[in-house]
Amino acid sequence: NAGVTQTPKFRILKIGQSMTLQCTQDMNHNYMYWYRQDPGMGLKLIYYSVGAGITDKGEVPNGYNVSRSTTEDFPLRLELAAPSQTSVYFCASTVDRGGYTFGSGTRLTVV
Amino acid sequence: GESVGLHLPTLSVQEGDNSIINCAYSNSASDYFIWYKQESGKGPQFIIDIRSNMDKRQGQRVTVLLNKTVKHLSLQIAATQPGDSAVYFCAETDDYKLSFGAGTTVTVRA
Repeated sequence: NAGVTQTPKFRILKIGQSMTLQCTQDMNHNYMYWYRQDPGMGLKLIYYSVGAGITDKGEVPNGYNVSRSTTEDFPLRLELAAPSQTSVYFCASTVDRGGYTFGSGTRLTVV
Repeated sequence: GESVGLHLPTLSVQEGDNSIINCAYSNSASDYFIWYKQESGKGPQFIIDIRSNMDKRQGQRVTVLLNKTVKHLSLQIAATQPGDSAVYFCAETDDYKLSFGAGTTVTVRA
């Protein structure tokens, strides 16, 4: 099992550009999440999904979009990147109300 | 969910000593709590969890204590090792979305 795989690991974007952060899990988990982590801070929930075709906003959804067409994939889309979106992004999944399995993160810098 | 906070942002521990990391939570409806460890450049890693019907749970070298009366959670690490140096987060939930505290950075002195 690869667990939760995130790509890319690093990315530099210019203001106004768009990109998609990829997240794939091979554990057949229903629940998937996107968090962002700013320096010295905890994780803030951006979006989550309880199954294919179902997504919902978390604490900080502005500037982001998600889709969940399959159980395995949960991409995060950034439209019109802004410096405030400079952060480390983590994808996570879980089968139920258990501990999350996290990916290794995507470090994004918007300049 | 409501915020979950940690009492101290940093903790310096002598190798071999026991570590105690504290966390206060504010959502009285939370019924599931988890401690995570995050090493530099990596994603958070599950350490141990506890449900609200328990006061204490032990793992390998780690113990989690839950005091629902004062909404307090702690993580005890026995015989702290250099590999325990990391940021530790508590997380809580009353559904299926975890809320994370800001973290405590633990540094182990040789």
